[in-house]
Amino acid sequence: NAGVMQNPRHLVRRRGQEARLRCSPMKGHSHVYWYRQLPEEGLKFMVYLQKENIIDESGMPKERFSAEFPKEGPSILRIQQVVRGDSAAYFCASSPWMNTEAFFGQGTRLTVV
Amino acid sequence: DQQVKQNSPSLSVQEGRISILNCDYTNSMFDYFLWYKKYPAEGPTFLISISSIKDKNEDGRFTVFLNKSAKHLSLHIVPSQPGDSAVYFCAASAKLLTGGGNKLTFGTGTQLKVEL
Repeated sequence: NAGVMQNPRHLVRRRGQEARLRCSPMKGHSHVYWYRQLPEEGLKFMVYLQKENIIDESGMPKERFSAEFPKEGPSILRIQQVVRGDSAAYFCASSPWMNTEAFFGQGTRLTVV
Repeated sequence: DQQVKQNSPSLSVQEGRISILNCDYTNSMFDYFLWYKKYPAEGPTFLISISSIKDKNEDGRFTVFLNKSAKHLSLHIVPSQPGDSAVYFCAASAKLLTGGGNKLTFGTGTQLKVEL
Protein backbone atom coordinates (compact mmCIF):
# COMPACT_ATOMS: atom_id res chain seq x y z
CA ASN A 1 0.00 0.00 0.00
CA ALA A 2 1.71 3.12 -1.21
CA GLY A 3 1.83 6.06 1.15
CA VAL A 4 0.65 9.58 0.49
CA MET A 5 2.24 10.72 -2.76
CA GLN A 6 3.05 14.34 -3.40
CA ASN A 7 4.53 15.86 -6.50
CA PRO A 8 6.58 17.62 -7.40
CA ARG A 9 9.02 17.33 -4.49
CA HIS A 10 10.59 20.65 -5.39
CA LEU A 11 9.02 23.50 -7.33
CA VAL A 12 10.61 26.81 -8.31
CA ARG A 13 8.41 29.61 -9.54
CA ARG A 14 9.04 33.21 -10.42
CA ARG A 15 6.97 35.87 -8.73
CA GLY A 16 3.59 36.17 -10.43
CA GLN A 17 3.50 32.62 -11.77
CA GLU A 18 1.11 29.89 -10.70
CA ALA A 19 2.07 26.90 -8.57
CA ARG A 20 0.16 23.61 -8.66
CA LEU A 21 0.86 21.03 -6.00
CA ARG A 22 -0.58 17.54 -6.28
CA CYS A 23 -1.43 14.96 -3.65
CA SER A 24 -2.65 11.39 -4.01
CA PRO A 25 -3.96 10.03 -0.69
CA MET A 26 -3.36 6.56 0.59
CA LYS A 27 -5.67 3.92 -0.86
CA GLY A 28 -8.95 3.84 1.02
CA HIS A 29 -8.49 7.28 2.57
CA SER A 30 -11.36 9.67 2.02
CA HIS A 31 -9.97 12.74 3.78
CA VAL A 32 -7.19 14.99 2.50
CA TYR A 33 -5.55 17.82 4.42
CA TRP A 34 -3.04 20.44 3.34
CA TYR A 35 -0.56 21.98 5.75
CA ARG A 36 2.13 24.60 5.25
CA GLN A 37 5.40 24.85 7.12
CA LEU A 38 7.20 28.16 6.96
CA PRO A 39 10.90 28.24 7.88
CA GLU A 40 11.50 27.76 11.62
CA GLU A 41 7.81 27.19 12.30
CA GLY A 42 5.46 24.28 12.91
CA LEU A 43 2.94 22.97 10.44
CA LYS A 44 -0.12 25.14 9.96
CA PHE A 45 -3.45 23.73 8.82
CA MET A 46 -4.72 25.14 5.54
CA VAL A 47 -7.65 23.10 4.23
CA TYR A 48 -9.52 19.83 4.73
CA LEU A 49 -11.29 18.14 1.82
CA GLN A 50 -13.29 15.06 1.03
CA LYS A 51 -14.06 13.95 -2.50
CA GLU A 52 -15.59 16.90 -4.37
CA ASN A 53 -16.13 18.83 -1.12
CA ILE A 54 -14.19 21.40 0.86
CA ILE A 55 -15.01 20.72 4.50
CA ASP A 56 -12.87 23.31 6.27
CA GLU A 57 -10.75 26.00 4.62
CA SER A 58 -10.28 28.16 7.68
CA GLY A 59 -6.49 28.12 7.30
CA MET A 60 -6.37 29.13 3.66
CA PRO A 61 -5.35 32.67 2.75
CA LYS A 62 -8.38 34.47 1.36
CA GLU A 63 -6.78 35.33 -1.94
CA ARG A 64 -4.69 33.46 -4.52
CA PHE A 65 -5.01 30.06 -2.82
CA SER A 66 -7.49 27.35 -3.77
CA ALA A 67 -7.80 23.60 -3.31
CA GLU A 68 -9.80 20.82 -4.84
CA PHE A 69 -10.21 17.07 -4.50
CA PRO A 70 -12.06 15.89 -7.60
CA LYS A 71 -13.97 12.65 -7.95
CA GLU A 72 -11.13 11.27 -10.04
CA GLY A 73 -7.49 12.15 -9.63
CA PRO A 74 -5.33 13.76 -7.00
CA SER A 75 -6.04 16.68 -4.76
CA ILE A 76 -4.61 19.95 -6.08
CA LEU A 77 -3.44 22.96 -4.11
CA ARG A 78 -3.22 25.93 -6.43
CA ILE A 79 -1.42 29.18 -5.68
CA GLN A 80 -1.91 31.96 -8.18
CA GLN A 81 0.46 34.90 -8.66
CA VAL A 82 2.99 33.55 -6.19
CA VAL A 83 4.97 35.92 -3.99
CA ARG A 84 8.22 35.32 -2.08
CA GLY A 85 6.27 34.84 1.16
CA ASP A 86 4.65 31.73 -0.34
CA SER A 87 8.02 29.95 -0.20
CA ALA A 88 7.49 27.08 2.21
CA ALA A 89 7.10 23.33 2.50
CA TYR A 90 3.57 22.20 1.70
CA PHE A 91 2.50 18.88 3.17
CA CYS A 92 -0.50 16.80 2.30
CA ALA A 93 -1.96 14.26 4.69
CA SER A 94 -4.75 11.72 4.41
CA SER A 95 -6.85 9.68 6.79
CA PRO A 96 -9.72 7.24 6.59
CA TRP A 97 -13.18 8.23 7.78
CA MET A 98 -13.27 8.74 11.55
CA ASN A 99 -9.68 7.65 12.00
CA THR A 100 -7.56 9.81 14.22
CA GLU A 101 -4.14 9.31 12.69
CA ALA A 102 -3.27 11.34 9.61
CA PHE A 103 -0.48 10.11 7.36
CA PHE A 104 1.73 12.64 5.66
CA GLY A 105 3.41 12.80 2.29
CA GLN A 106 7.00 13.92 1.85
CA GLY A 107 5.99 17.44 0.97
CA THR A 108 6.52 19.88 -1.87
CA ARG A 109 9.12 22.54 -1.29
CA LEU A 110 8.07 25.67 -3.11
CA THR A 111 10.65 28.35 -3.77
CA VAL A 112 9.57 31.65 -5.25
CA VAL A 113 12.36 33.62 -6.89
CA ASP B 1 -2.69 32.44 19.32
CA GLN B 2 -0.51 29.37 19.77
CA GLN B 3 -2.90 26.70 21.06
CA VAL B 4 -0.23 23.99 21.20
CA LYS B 5 3.15 24.95 22.63
CA GLN B 6 6.46 23.20 22.73
CA ASN B 7 8.60 25.51 24.79
CA SER B 8 11.90 23.70 24.31
CA PRO B 9 13.20 24.22 20.78
CA SER B 10 15.97 21.70 21.35
CA LEU B 11 17.00 18.85 23.62
CA SER B 12 20.25 16.93 23.81
CA VAL B 13 20.39 13.47 25.43
CA GLN B 14 23.01 10.76 25.68
CA GLU B 15 22.41 7.44 23.99
CA GLY B 16 20.69 4.97 26.31
CA ARG B 17 19.21 7.65 28.55
CA ILE B 18 15.61 8.84 28.67
CA SER B 19 14.38 11.65 26.41
CA ILE B 20 11.41 13.65 27.68
CA LEU B 21 9.69 16.02 25.30
CA ASN B 22 6.99 18.31 26.63
CA CYS B 23 3.91 19.91 25.16
CA ASP B 24 1.25 22.24 26.56
CA TYR B 25 -2.11 23.15 25.10
CA THR B 26 -4.71 25.76 25.83
CA ASN B 27 -7.85 24.60 24.00
CA SER B 28 -9.97 22.42 26.31
CA MET B 29 -11.88 21.11 23.26
CA PHE B 30 -8.88 19.06 22.14
CA ASP B 31 -9.67 15.39 22.70
CA TYR B 32 -6.90 13.60 20.84
CA PHE B 33 -3.17 14.14 20.91
CA LEU B 34 -0.46 12.86 18.64
CA TRP B 35 3.30 12.92 18.35
CA TYR B 36 5.03 13.05 14.99
CA LYS B 37 8.69 12.68 14.19
CA LYS B 38 10.24 14.55 11.28
CA TYR B 39 13.56 14.20 9.54
CA PRO B 40 14.88 17.01 7.33
CA ALA B 41 13.32 17.14 3.85
CA GLU B 42 10.76 14.48 4.77
CA GLY B 43 7.15 14.51 5.88
CA PRO B 44 6.12 13.97 9.50
CA THR B 45 5.85 10.33 10.56
CA PHE B 46 3.21 9.32 13.08
CA LEU B 47 4.71 7.97 16.31
CA ILE B 48 2.12 7.56 19.01
CA SER B 49 -1.18 9.05 20.12
CA ILE B 50 -3.44 9.29 23.13
CA SER B 51 -7.12 9.92 23.64
CA SER B 52 -8.28 12.35 26.29
CA ILE B 53 -9.98 9.50 28.13
CA LYS B 54 -6.59 7.99 28.93
CA ASP B 55 -3.59 9.28 30.83
CA LYS B 56 -0.93 6.99 29.39
CA ASN B 57 -0.22 5.11 26.19
CA GLU B 58 2.82 2.97 25.57
CA ASP B 59 4.30 1.57 22.37
CA GLY B 60 7.69 -0.04 22.65
CA ARG B 61 10.27 2.58 23.62
CA PHE B 62 7.71 5.39 23.35
CA THR B 63 5.26 6.41 26.06
CA VAL B 64 2.95 9.39 26.04
CA PHE B 65 1.53 10.81 29.25
CA LEU B 66 -1.46 13.14 29.38
CA ASN B 67 -2.33 15.41 32.31
CA LYS B 68 -5.67 16.96 31.39
CA SER B 69 -5.95 19.16 34.45
CA ALA B 70 -2.61 20.76 33.62
CA LYS B 71 -3.26 20.64 29.85
CA HIS B 72 0.13 19.03 29.47
CA LEU B 73 1.46 16.00 27.69
CA SER B 74 4.88 14.49 27.39
CA LEU B 75 6.64 11.94 25.23
CA HIS B 76 9.16 9.65 26.86
CA ILE B 77 11.68 7.75 24.77
CA VAL B 78 13.69 5.13 26.59
CA PRO B 79 16.32 4.10 25.84
CA SER B 80 17.19 6.89 23.42
CA GLN B 81 19.03 5.91 20.26
CA PRO B 82 21.00 8.00 17.74
CA GLY B 83 18.36 7.27 15.11
CA ASP B 84 15.84 9.09 17.28
CA SER B 85 17.55 12.37 16.45
CA ALA B 86 14.87 14.37 14.65
CA VAL B 87 12.32 17.11 15.19
CA TYR B 88 9.35 15.99 17.27
CA PHE B 89 5.99 17.69 16.84
CA CYS B 90 3.13 17.54 19.26
CA ALA B 91 -0.32 17.83 17.63
CA ALA B 92 -3.89 18.00 18.87
CA SER B 93 -7.31 17.60 17.34
CA ALA B 94 -10.92 18.24 18.32
CA LYS B 95 -12.85 15.70 16.29
CA LEU B 96 -16.29 16.86 17.33
CA LEU B 97 -15.61 20.22 15.78
CA THR B 98 -14.37 18.81 12.50
CA GLY B 99 -17.12 16.33 11.72
CA GLY B 100 -15.04 13.18 11.79
CA GLY B 101 -11.99 14.60 10.15
CA ASN B 102 -8.61 15.08 11.72
CA LYS B 103 -7.63 18.73 11.49
CA LEU B 104 -4.46 18.95 13.55
CA THR B 105 -3.00 21.88 15.44
CA PHE B 106 0.76 21.52 15.71
CA GLY B 107 3.32 22.81 18.11
CA THR B 108 6.52 24.39 16.80
CA GLY B 109 8.59 21.27 17.40
CA THR B 110 11.54 20.18 19.52
CA GLN B 111 14.81 19.19 17.91
CA LEU B 112 16.08 16.08 19.70
CA LYS B 113 19.73 15.17 19.40
CA VAL B 114 20.85 11.84 20.80
CA GLU B 115 24.58 11.79 21.28
CA LEU B 116 26.86 8.78 21.44
